[in-house]
Amino acid sequence: AQTVTQSQPEMSVQEAETVTLSCTYDTSENNYYLFWYKQPPSRQMILVIRQEAYKQQNATENRFSVNFQKAAKSFSLKISDSQLGDTAMYFCACASGGGADGLTFGKGTHLIIQP
Amino acid sequence: KAGVTQTPRYLIKTRGQQVTLSCSPISGHRSVSWYQQTPGQGLQFLFEYFSETQRNKGNFPGRFSGRQFSNSRSEMNVSTLELGDSALYLCASRPGTASYEQYFGPGTRLTVT
Repeated sequence: AQTVTQSQPEMSVQEAETVTLSCTYDTSENNYYLFWYKQPPSRQMILVIRQEAYKQQNATENRFSVNFQKAAKSFSLKISDSQLGDTAMYFCACASGGGADGLTFGKGTHLIIQP
Repeated sequence: KAGVTQTPRYLIKTRGQQVTLSCSPISGHRSVSWYQQTPGQGLQFLFEYFSETQRNKGNFPGRFSGRQFSNSRSEMNVSTLELGDSALYLCASRPGTASYEQYFGPGTRLTVT
């Protein structure tokens, strides 16, 4: 079993600012994957970024990057040059064991980008 | 490539009825998972299907069931609906069991009255 915790229910920043969303997880597996998903008001869940636990290098996708601290079981998401379209719920998720148990999600962080 | 599609997008049912939701995965994807999203419980894993076989099921009662067809399309069924079954039901697909990231459909909003 694994757990994912997001301690920030809501965050608000100004457009063009940088924001970091926090996530901690717990798993007994050695082989696991971590993800950040974005869910805008349309409710479509969109994969933002993924990180394989065995890779030490932090993943980066354009304005999105992660800070993966394996020993601390921390997986934060940094959004640079935030845009109005980044306003959404952001979910941290973990998958392991071949993925048969599906993704375990955190409760989410509601990110609001103010103009 | 077309994304994951789900039908219907919205559904209103009465307590005690049953409902069937449909999901078509991304072409070439053989694994389909279902999730329930509610404000109180968040996102919860229902079950996953791969090659027409259920690989695992989350902590849900037997009223929740599913199946997968040979073309990888999947359906989930909820019998004897309860008010608490009102939720957004999300379907996700992935290429196979070696790939962990899942791609989600737009969801089906089920309201039970």
